[in-house]
Amino acid sequence: DTGVSQDPRHKITKRGQNVTFRCDPISEHNRLYWYRQTLGQGPEFLTYFQNEAQLEKSRLLSDRFSAERPKGSFSTLEIQRTEQGDSAMYLCASSLGFRQGAGETQYFGPGTRLLVL
Amino acid sequence: AQKVTQAQTEISVVEKEDVTLDCVYETRDTTYYLFWYKQPPSGELVFLIRRNSFDEQNEISGRYSWNFQKSTSSFNFTITASQVVDSAVYFCALGWDKLIFGTGTRLQVFP
Repeated sequence: DTGVSQDPRHKITKRGQNVTFRCDPISEHNRLYWYRQTLGQGPEFLTYFQNEAQLEKSRLLSDRFSAERPKGSFSTLEIQRTEQGDSAMYLCASSLGFRQGAGETQYFGPGTRLLVL
Repeated sequence: AQKVTQAQTEISVVEKEDVTLDCVYETRDTTYYLFWYKQPPSGELVFLIRRNSFDEQNEISGRYSWNFQKSTSSFNFTITASQVVDSAVYFCALGWDKLIFGTGTRLQVFP
């Protein structure tokens, strides 16, 4: 059973550059979540999708951030004009959603660690 | 507003000791889920348990047990006979869809 995968695992970029991360959820999971985790903190919610629809965005998600899930399968998170404050671990999670008996357990990928110089 | 508090920043124990990780939450919702996740040094969050707000039964899974008490808004996690492999950061989380995480408790188990 393949888990959630994320690519790349690490990214170093210079301030002002654009970066894009990819997340592949567990097969048949219709919900996909993005979180950000900084050193010494718990993950913070950014946004989530049900199939291809983006249902909620956090205030943390500034105009420089955009997320897509065009065919309801994989998702991308793009950060434009990166800033040093964007340095963090970006975590993706997926869940079955609220199907009968399935509950809403989110399974996380390994994360993409971003360093903005 | 929803909030999760894990007051213990770091706990150190010697192998075979029992250890309890505390979690206190705040929510106005009547229906919610509580979770525990483990984050080993590799960084990936590993799901341990989910509890819904209607089920206050305690749960045991091997060396792990969880004590959910709505009266005190607590969902504590106990590891019995700790092992070095239990060393990790443990997060408590609250939510129905998006999750609100605590700041985590770093557990170090020494041989």
